[in-house]
Amino acid sequence: DIQMTQSASSLSASVGDTVTITCRASQNIGSELGWYQVKPGKAPKRLIYAASALVAGVPSRFSGSGSGTDFTLTISSLQPEDFATYYCLHHSLYPLVYTFGQGTKLETK
Amino acid sequence: QVQLQESGPRLVRPSETLSLICSVSGYAISSGYYWGWVRQPPGKGLEWIGDIYYSGSTYYHPSLNSRVSISADTAKNQFSLTLKSATASDTAIYYCARSQPYAGIQFDFWGQGILVTVSS
Repeated sequence: DIQMTQSASSLSASVGDTVTITCRASQNIGSELGWYQVKPGKAPKRLIYAASALVAGVPSRFSGSGSGTDFTLTISSLQPEDFATYYCLHHSLYPLVYTFGQGTKLETK
Repeated sequence: QVQLQESGPRLVRPSETLSLICSVSGYAISSGYYWGWVRQPPGKGLEWIGDIYYSGSTYYHPSLNSRVSISADTAKNQFSLTLKSATASDTAIYYCARSQPYAGIQFDFWGQGILVTVSS
């Protein structure tokens, strides 16, 4: 089974900062990775798919990179509404299984 | 616009069956895509539960496989989750969501979520 590891359970930052959240796969997953933002009381929001493609309507300050086993989500010029928990997500096809990372909570410094 | 809405009992007794329904509007589930469930226990991360394809094929998380069942009612444009022998560890916010994994589309539309508590 593929495991997805987000090494930081939390990060502290200030408005205007640039932050990077990392996710590591236990084996090569190519670019089959997405990033989600979760806020209390709201539906999870898809930000990035295929490791680096920005979902339509998501601000361009969000960007994703990586392939193989190491991936990053970068948020440039943090805005107040960006403080949330971020999850990486991988899915394997044969058999179909989805695996989330443990999540990284972005908090105000 | 695709919209999903979870419904069902918010309190389930231990050892009983947790049952939820996801009602879909704006897209016919019989037209394609996979329809699934994800949960988030209080203070913990997201966990995939399982998916159903409109044809009826189902896929479940290995750790839940023996207790979970997902079915679809295309006439009502709904799909449902059944989790047998519920315990306190099944207490979570349950989300339903749409995906098309074989086209590289992970969960793109989600419901707002429903908090289900397993307690006596």
